[in-house]
Amino acid sequence: DIVMTQSPDSLAVSLGERATINCKSSQSVLYSSNNKNYLAWYQQKPGQPPKLLIYWASTRESGVPDRFSGSGSGTDFTLTISSLQAEDVAVYYCQQYYSTPPSTFGPGTKVDIK
Amino acid sequence: QVQLVESGGGLVKPGGSLRLSCAASGFTFSDYYMSWIRQAPGKGLEWVSYISSSGSTIYYADSVKGRFTISRDNAKNSLYLQMNSLRAEDTAVYYCASRGYSYAPFDYWGQGTLVTVSS
Repeated sequence: DIVMTQSPDSLAVSLGERATINCKSSQSVLYSSNNKNYLAWYQQKPGQPPKLLIYWASTRESGVPDRFSGSGSGTDFTLTISSLQAEDVAVYYCQQYYSTPPSTFGPGTKVDIK
Repeated sequence: QVQLVESGGGLVKPGGSLRLSCAASGFTFSDYYMSWIRQAPGKGLEWVSYISSSGSTIYYADSVKGRFTISRDNAKNSLYLQMNSLRAEDTAVYYCASRGYSYAPFDYWGQGTLVTVSS
């Protein structure tokens, strides 16, 4: 199974500042035949289900603000919130769908306001 | 709009059984691959089971294999999870989630239903 790790476990950022979350997979999730990274990011606010933010490592889901961006390839990925807003307080998960089943998630990164 | 509504959760004793349901609307259910994903209190996300759009392909996490059974009724736009021999470690919010094809992210999630296994 592919193991996903995330860092940091939590971070506190001032409003309007940048937040950066890292995700690492135990093996590459880049499929060479289509050059796509099978990596997604989700946002989960308290008491709510996860919401898909980004897929193919860098494609924003429809309706997701452009302050959210994803980057990386192979085994190392980053989710960046360019200017943190109060409504972005949440736990963020990365997920690989390259090797499924099982489709594995990272342990999550909690983002708070400083 | 797309809606996934889970039901059937509750309190059950260890060794007991429970059947979860997920009612889908707002999309062509029979075209979508469905999964159950759970989240223990204060913990992360754990994929539990997967069923293909036709129901012909099914997978389970090792932690539930032999105890849980996933099924779907495309005529009723519904997904099910039969859970037997429940353990304390099965306590979690259970979400149903959809994906448009086999190797895809989970694009829609239900609100979840809480299963508590305790004596």
